[in-house]
This record gives sequence, C-alpha cells and structure tokens, in this order.
Amino acid sequence: EAGVAQSPRYKIIEKRQSVAFWCNPISGHATLYWYQQILGQGPKLLIQFQNNGVVDDSQLPKDRFSAERLKGVDSTLKIQPAKLEDSAVYLCASSSLSGGVYEQYFGPGTRLTVT
Amino acid sequence: LAKTTQPISMDSYEGQEVNITCSHNNIATNDYITWYQQFPSQGPRFIIQGYKTKVTNEVASLFIPADRKSSTLSLPRVSLSDTAVYYCLVGDLGDKIIFGKGTRLHILP
Repeated sequence: EAGVAQSPRYKIIEKRQSVAFWCNPISGHATLYWYQQILGQGPKLLIQFQNNGVVDDSQLPKDRFSAERLKGVDSTLKIQPAKLEDSAVYLCASSSLSGGVYEQYFGPGTRLTVT
Repeated sequence: LAKTTQPISMDSYEGQEVNITCSHNNIATNDYITWYQQFPSQGPRFIIQGYKTKVTNEVASLFIPADRKSSTLSLPRVSLSDTAVYYCLVGDLGDKIIFGKGTRLHILP
C-alpha cells in the first residue's frame, strides 16, 4: 500500500512569512496526526484528527499555527507568521488498528528552516 | 500518560544481540508498550507492540515482565543499518502517545 505522502520535503522561509504543509494519509485511515520534531528531540504531537474533527490540539500554538482536514482525507498545516523557533521537521502520520495492533505510519516529513 | 525512561545512547557491534530496556513505573492497566525506530531524515517506523509476556516478530522481540513496570526490546544479530533512534512509548491503543528523546543506538563494525 502507498505510504503517507507529504510535501514539500524542504522549505526555507524568513521569519514573519507564512508557510503551509500538505499531507495525504494512507487510504482508509481515519486518524491523522501532525508532529513537530526539533533536532535531537522526539516528535511532539501538535494536533490529532479523527476523520475531519479535531481530537486533540492542546499543544498547537493556535496564535500562529492552524490545521484543517477537509473531507476527512488530506490535511494542511499552516504557520503564520513563522518564528525562528519553528525550524523543525513537521511529520504527518496516520494510524490503523489491525489484528489487535495499533500502529502509526509516518510520512517522510517536511524540513522547515526559518531564517 | 505513563512516563518512560530509557538510556540516552548505546553502542554495540555488528552481529551482537542488542537489548534496550525501558522503565514505565506508572503504566496503567489499559496501556500497551510500543517501540518505534527512526533513521535520520525519516519519520519513525513501528517495530513492535505488546501488553504482557513476550512478543516476537520478524524484526525484534519484546519482553515484558509480570509487573509490566519495564520492558526490553531485543534486536537479534544487529547490523550497521540498525543504527537509529529507538523510542519506547506507553499508552492505550488509539490514545495520544508521547515521544521522549529515545535511545540512540550506534552499531560499530
């Protein structure tokens, strides 16, 4: 099966600019996650969707970050305006429960550099 | 959510068996233990998941003692390509999971 797709793979922007990331989860996966991974740290959950509804966005900096998942499939994560500390890899994942095993499938990530 | 503690880094040699232990003293009754592997410039990849005793798949084994306060990921006969960061995660299936810093495993020739 095709994996989780993300684009772009790399993005360089100046602080105060805006940026958007796109994610296409594995077909049929109802749950979608966005993570932020700063160099040297584990991924931090920003937002979790179940179909097109938000399950958890407690760690999403809502003054500058927004995310949507229209029609319960693709999702976009936006940062506006970007700060230097937003430089990180943004990972999208989708999940399935199969055979009693719950697994998250991660995309390759988008590496954001804010200058 | 149960907090996990694992070594920051480990070194081993090709062909050896590697065991990475994770402590999770506050694990809840409904929690499962899951391990992910992450290579540089890639997203994490699921390795194995278990609730109690022993689970084995084609990649690794997971040993969980009766009290479930710790678990050990066992990688048989590692190769250079097993150099990666390994994350131990604890939580109920479908719940939010929290990644720590993981264990950086470095395999030497």
